[in-house]
Amino acid sequence: AQTVTQSQPEMSVQEAETVTLSCTYDTSESDYYLFWYKQPPSRQMILVIRQEAYKQQNATENRFSVNFQKAAKSFSLKISDSQLGDAAMYFCAYSVYSGGGADGLTFGKGTHLIIQP
Amino acid sequence: GAVVSQHPSWVICKSGTSVKIECRSLDFQATTMFWYRQFPKKSLMLMATSNEGSKATYEQGVEKDKFLINHASLTLSTLTVTSAHPEDSSFYICSAKSRLAGRDEQYFGPGTRLTVT
Repeated sequence: AQTVTQSQPEMSVQEAETVTLSCTYDTSESDYYLFWYKQPPSRQMILVIRQEAYKQQNATENRFSVNFQKAAKSFSLKISDSQLGDAAMYFCAYSVYSGGGADGLTFGKGTHLIIQP
Repeated sequence: GAVVSQHPSWVICKSGTSVKIECRSLDFQATTMFWYRQFPKKSLMLMATSNEGSKATYEQGVEKDKFLINHASLTLSTLTVTSAHPEDSSFYICSAKSRLAGRDEQYFGPGTRLTVT
C-alpha cells in the first residue's frame, strides 16, 4: 500500500520569506502523480501544484515550486515570498496512474502553515 | 469552470436514520467521482471510487452496506449513510475527475458536514 508522510505538523514563516514543506512517500509503482493541496479554514481543497513521476523537471506555479527526488521518494514544496493568504493546511497527496489518468488520492497528515505578519 | 457542488453543506440527523449527500459536477462530465472522509483536524481518507453506471469500489475497511454510493449520471454521484450513528459524524468531501482526454486533475466539492445525534 502507498503511504504519504508529512513530518511537520506545523510550520511558521515570516511574511515575504521562503518556507519549505516536506513530504516523503512510499510506493512500488513506477507511474504515479504527486500533488500539493491547500485547505484553508473554508475546507475547500485547492490544488497548488502537481508533478507526474515520469517528468524529471520540477513543477513550478508562480511562487510555488517543488523539489521532486524520485529515487529518494521525496516531494517537498517551496513557497517563496510568503503571503498572509498562504496560511492554511497543506496536504501532500499521491495517486497511482491508471488507464484513465490519476486515481483516488492518498493524503499525508498535513502541515499547518502559519504566516507571521 | 470545473465546479463541483455538494448538497447539503451541513446536515444533522438522528441516530438510526439515513442521510443522502449529493455531489454534482456543474460544468463538466465526470467519468469518475471519489468520496473522502475527513475527521476534525485530520487528513482526508479515500472511502470509495465511483464510475458512472457501475458499482462503486470501496477502500479496505469501508463498509459498503453502510455507505451506499450511486453514480447515476456523468454529473451526479450520491453517498447515502445508512442507519447513521454518532461515530459517522464527519466531514465528507467528494471530487470529480474530468472526462476530457488528458485531464487527470480532480476537482473537489466544498464538503458536507454530517452530525449524528
